[in-house]
Amino acid sequence: QKEVEQNSGPLSVPEGAIASLNCTYSDRVSQSFFWYRQYSGKSPELIMSIYSNGDKEDGRFTAQLNKASQYVSLLIRDSQPSDSATYLCAVNIGYGNKLVFGAGTILRVKS
Amino acid sequence: ETGVTQTPRHLVMGMTNKKSLKCEQHLGHNAMYWYKQSAKKPLELMFVYNFKEQTENNSVPSRFSPECPNSSHLFLHLHTLQPEDSALYLCASSQEQAPFSSYEQYFGPGTRLTVT
Repeated sequence: QKEVEQNSGPLSVPEGAIASLNCTYSDRVSQSFFWYRQYSGKSPELIMSIYSNGDKEDGRFTAQLNKASQYVSLLIRDSQPSDSATYLCAVNIGYGNKLVFGAGTILRVKS
Repeated sequence: ETGVTQTPRHLVMGMTNKKSLKCEQHLGHNAMYWYKQSAKKPLELMFVYNFKEQTENNSVPSRFSPECPNSSHLFLHLHTLQPEDSALYLCASSQEQAPFSSYEQYFGPGTRLTVT
């Protein structure tokens, strides 16, 4: 089992819809969870960090964390074509502070 | 300059060349990282430095040699690379490493390396 798993996609949503991106992780003791956005040919850009169970909202983005289920998700409301990118989930694995990245989900927002 | 900068942005080198990648962070952070991103593969952590001390070497071949002279600068020295080392090399920084958790990491623009 991979340490951090994401559906590779592509996930296609119409403009204005909610995009839901999911990530599961293998280590029950993980404490830090991050979502990055990466446009083609560019470096990853931090969107959200979440450390506690529940929801965290920032503008059109909501991160959701469920440590019991080892599941973290990112919701993008009112999706725009400019949101089309690869979204990377990153989790610290084990008792250390090393981040492990998922392979990413490609999101396509169609106008 | 703001954030994390990397030079050069593109590099083509032969297998017998020696070159260096440079990273500088302007965020006041104390931890710096090298990652490798190959096509169709997840980001792979290579090295971690915390307050100039190397704290992680993720089984990286010795043809990659990191150097961290201070908390703001990080280098990756390259020699006798292989074609399979062609990838995007990303530098990141964060607050100092914390036990049991991770601070947010901020990435530079990357160096696109091609080994011929």
